[in-house]
Amino acid sequence: QLQLQESGPGVVKPSETLSLTCAVSGGSISSSGYYWAWIRQPPGKGLEWIGSIYYSGSTYYNPSLKSRVTISVDMSRIQFSLRLTAVTAADTAVYYCARYRTHNGRFDYWGQGTLVTVSS
Amino acid sequence: QSVLTQPPSASGTPGQRVTISCSGSSSNIGSNTVNWYQQFPGTAPKLLIFTNNQRPSGVPDRFSGSKSGTSASLAISRLQSEDEADYYCAAWDDRLNGLVFGGGTKLTVL
Repeated sequence: QLQLQESGPGVVKPSETLSLTCAVSGGSISSSGYYWAWIRQPPGKGLEWIGSIYYSGSTYYNPSLKSRVTISVDMSRIQFSLRLTAVTAADTAVYYCARYRTHNGRFDYWGQGTLVTVSS
Repeated sequence: QSVLTQPPSASGTPGQRVTISCSGSSSNIGSNTVNWYQQFPGTAPKLLIFTNNQRPSGVPDRFSGSKSGTSASLAISRLQSEDEADYYCAAWDDRLNGLVFGGGTKLTVL
């Protein structure tokens, strides 16, 4: 059974960089037909797709976040990562990692999520 | 303001049938498939419907999806108290070249 687990700091200071990692177990991150994604959810609000990466390094980013986001994949460590620069309070959210199946695209596996608070 | 529009709330009594709408445009729902996710408080979303009307293994047949033009709907029949959750639609948007979610609908079982 595929499992995803987010990890990273729970608090980030304004203007600094948010960095999170998603560890993948029970499956291969280099399987064809799947992208690996980050989605976030501000407290009490809806879901927002941040971006996705293929094991080859090909990426798609949310246009509203593109200038601040980098998603990378580390196949040797079987994990992928999110970097979000110049954070503000508006970036406070639960951050989820998920697997995106490209055929009839959908998120079929999700991590449990990790809350990141932007605060000084 | 979400690209896909959902009603913020819906409600029904046990045994009733409830529908949740998701309105988009030609660049998203009009040209791509729609998925629905169910989310309980404090937990990650779970795939409920994919490719407009397909249920993953383990999802009861009380849940069904449909799509027509630039709109989609999620129907829940024989409503149960455990269906009380937030529901989100999602689709790829060709104009934005990215994935978009609806704002979510909070379903209350009265």
